[in-house]
Amino acid sequence: GQQLNQSPQSMFIQEGEDVSMNCTSSSIFNTWLWYKQDPGEGPVLLIALYKAGELTSNGRLTAQFGITRKDSFLNISASIPSDVGIYFCAGLIQGAQKLVFGQGTRLTINP
Amino acid sequence: SQTIHQWPATLVQPVGSPLSLECTVEGTSNPNLYWYRQAAGRGLQLLFYSVGIGQISSEVPQNLSASRPQDRQFILSSKKLLLSDSGFYLCAWSVRGIDGYTFGSGTRLTVV
Repeated sequence: GQQLNQSPQSMFIQEGEDVSMNCTSSSIFNTWLWYKQDPGEGPVLLIALYKAGELTSNGRLTAQFGITRKDSFLNISASIPSDVGIYFCAGLIQGAQKLVFGQGTRLTINP
Repeated sequence: SQTIHQWPATLVQPVGSPLSLECTVEGTSNPNLYWYRQAAGRGLQLLFYSVGIGQISSEVPQNLSASRPQDRQFILSSKKLLLSDSGFYLCAWSVRGIDGYTFGSGTRLTVV
């Protein structure tokens, strides 16, 4: 079945640093989504991407839908303590009824 | 606006006991509904999804079952819990997958 390879699995950064994570797949996706999960909560949608090459921002977050439609990345600028959590990418294949999720990137910020 | 309710928030159950977790959605009709399990705070494993009343697709053979008795109600069940059933269970809904999923707040299940 389709799989998303999300990297890195973990990140340990200093407050104020920029963060970059990405997802790749051997399959083509029509939609890419990025979620954030706080401890003990359900994931919350951050950014949705619908077109190849699309670059979308949400505050300090920027995500891009890769030209090949097989990858996406998420950048966080000037990280702050509340950015801590697990970030998931997810992709939707045309005609499918379910998302494919990456394994997540756990972000830890050192004060 | 649409909301999703999932309960209970936490549950401690003995091995061999039954399980029933409920999820309801408000403010939408004919949603796709999903049950996920998350172990150790990483990775979302799709357990079941439903595109309509009485329609259940199982993704992973296991000790669990799902039912959708009403359009906006999705139930996860087990007749006899195993230790390996412990985890964080998440319900989600979508409009045919478009715009992604909206997740509930989850149920932390500990089987002892």
